Amino acid sequence: QKEVEQNSGPLSVPEGAIASLNCTYSDRGSQSFFWYRQYSGKSPELIMSIYSNGDKEDGRFTAQLNKASQYVSLLIRDSQPSDSATYLCAVGGGSNYKLTFGKGTLLTVNP
Amino acid sequence: GAVVSQHPSRVICKSGTSVKIECRSLDFQATTMFWYRQFPKQSLMLMATSNEGSKATYEQGVEKDKFLINHASLTLSTLTVTSAHPEDSSFYICSARAGEKGYTFGSGTRLTVV
Repeated sequence: QKEVEQNSGPLSVPEGAIASLNCTYSDRGSQSFFWYRQYSGKSPELIMSIYSNGDKEDGRFTAQLNKASQYVSLLIRDSQPSDSATYLCAVGGGSNYKLTFGKGTLLTVNP
Repeated sequence: GAVVSQHPSRVICKSGTSVKIECRSLDFQATTMFWYRQFPKQSLMLMATSNEGSKATYEQGVEKDKFLINHASLTLSTLTVTSAHPEDSSFYICSARAGEKGYTFGSGTRLTVV
């Protein structure tokens, strides 16, 4: 069974700091990796997608993928109180395009 | 681009009744849609994969006769919760793969069965 593991948190950081979110996955055949942000009572919204080893930067967000270690991370620079949410790691692979989600990490950015 | 519209956003129904949830892809064709359920403080659990013009594929443990899925067109998929009971109360979310844009989610439906 495919598994995606995340530290459930809560992770608390001060405003302006770097928040680091981690995720490991069990299926070595996984090909696509996503970070979603979910506010309470809302559906997930895509933050980053990454498909190859290395770093991918988009504004204040950097996703890092290491397929050998089966590890993907998300860094949020200059964290803002509006970044406070649950961050879901999702992993996909194969022709059926299914995603497997982690349980999410609750991030709180304190003003 | 790549918007999925989901309705209703919130529904309260009596135990034993059926509820239909609709998801429409507004600006792209979704040959495949995914239906998830999320309980409080839990992650998204895939219930079924809906394929246009064919039968849905259900995940292990999901009752296909209770959760009826129809994907009759390239832009519309529906999930009907039949004979709903309080334990079916949950947040239901649909998702579609929008090509290179990745996966896009509907806004979710909060179902409360009383």
